[in-house]
Amino acid sequence: AQSVAQPEDQVNVAEGNPLTVKCTYSVSGNPYLFWYVQYPNRGLQVLLKYITGDNLVKGSYGFEAEFNKSQTSFHLKKPSALVSDSALYFCAVRDNRNSGYSTLTFGKGTMLLVSP
Amino acid sequence: GAVVSQHPSRVICKSGTSVKIECRSLDFQATTMFWYRQFPKQSLMLMATSNEGSKATYEQGVEKDKFLINHASLTLSTLTVTSAHPEDSSFYICSARLTPGQGHGGYNEQYFGPGTRLTVT
Repeated sequence: AQSVAQPEDQVNVAEGNPLTVKCTYSVSGNPYLFWYVQYPNRGLQVLLKYITGDNLVKGSYGFEAEFNKSQTSFHLKKPSALVSDSALYFCAVRDNRNSGYSTLTFGKGTMLLVSP
Repeated sequence: GAVVSQHPSRVICKSGTSVKIECRSLDFQATTMFWYRQFPKQSLMLMATSNEGSKATYEQGVEKDKFLINHASLTLSTLTVTSAHPEDSSFYICSARLTPGQGHGGYNEQYFGPGTRLTVT
């Protein structure tokens, strides 16, 4: 079985400061890893994804994440937070074996609050 | 990019009635569609996986007779909540995945709809 852990329910950061939202995962094979953002009463938007290749993934709105296989982590980072980054963030994993049919498993989500 | 739509975006129904939610992949064919349920400030919980032309596979604890899923074509899946009760009130999100083989290097992207807010009174 695969799983995702987001240890923080909420992360608070002041605008202009760097932010980190933590994610660790467990999967039998090799992972596909994702970060999604959700604004109130909206669906999910993919921020970035790791499929293969470079461990450092750059995504939308200045976010990035580093795939660390030894630590089974995929933390989301941004050098300078904006108030508009305030939202609910989900980390997700899929097993890349039989990738056409594997399901996506989500973490419980981390609320990011950026204060002015 | 690929777009997934859901209709309606919001629905209010009375207890005991049924409501149907549509999920469409607008510009691609989706062999597989997924239905998720999300409670306020919580994660998405997979309810069922729907494959075109076959019966849906439900996750443990999801009542298949209550949440009827039909995936009649490569671009449309429907979720019908039958005999709805207030505890069925939730945010329902569908997702559609490219047909295997259409993706890059074996990976096939999964796209999410905007969600449907169901309120049962």
